[in-house]
Amino acid sequence: DAMVIQNPRYQVTQFGKPVTLSCSQTLNHNVMYWYQQKSSQAPKLLFHYYDKDFNNEADTPDNFQSRRPNTSFCFLDIRSPGLGDAAMYLCATSRDQENQPQHFGDGTRLSIL
Amino acid sequence: GQNIDQPTEMTATEGAIVQINCTYQTSGFNGLFWYQQHAGEAPTFLSYNVLDGLEEKGRFSSFLSRSKGYSYLLLKELQMKDSASYLCAVKDSNYQLIWGAGTKLIIKP
Repeated sequence: DAMVIQNPRYQVTQFGKPVTLSCSQTLNHNVMYWYQQKSSQAPKLLFHYYDKDFNNEADTPDNFQSRRPNTSFCFLDIRSPGLGDAAMYLCATSRDQENQPQHFGDGTRLSIL
Repeated sequence: GQNIDQPTEMTATEGAIVQINCTYQTSGFNGLFWYQQHAGEAPTFLSYNVLDGLEEKGRFSSFLSRSKGYSYLLLKELQMKDSASYLCAVKDSNYQLIWGAGTKLIIKP
């Protein structure tokens, strides 16, 4: 039933150790988004793909990279996590960028030791 | 700059009605969304308004006034499970979604 699936739900990594978060969708949506959300704050868009067209937000740190090998999958790579990167990472999809709502996965909560 | 304002927190009683307000200043407008987010979970879509007026969906309704840059989410017959954060988000002229920080709604028995 799950339409946007994120793995894992909880991820613990060490300071500076690369980590990859994954997202898959069964909705066949064109657009996939990665957000970072910290406690009691609005979700912050990191980047999005329209099909294979990658769009990076101006203030997304270089430490964050993304890959979308096909329509269904999208990955978030954090090359050298710092303590400030501890957050909930949300993947979302939408049919288009105009009027369609975004559908979210359950999120991955990342902790940094 | 672009800005979405919502109250940080509200408290209401089970069975009652509550109205959560949202005001926005954005470069252009291409629709307003309301999402519900339970603690530790992902946001779920509640409603979408692009024209002025009221959209009703069961116990939840959402209202939009574009001339005032204002929306509200109305929740009726409140249930304990409605305790959550409610996020207002606006699509600007570039179809970028601008998010509010959310209103934490606490329901008391």
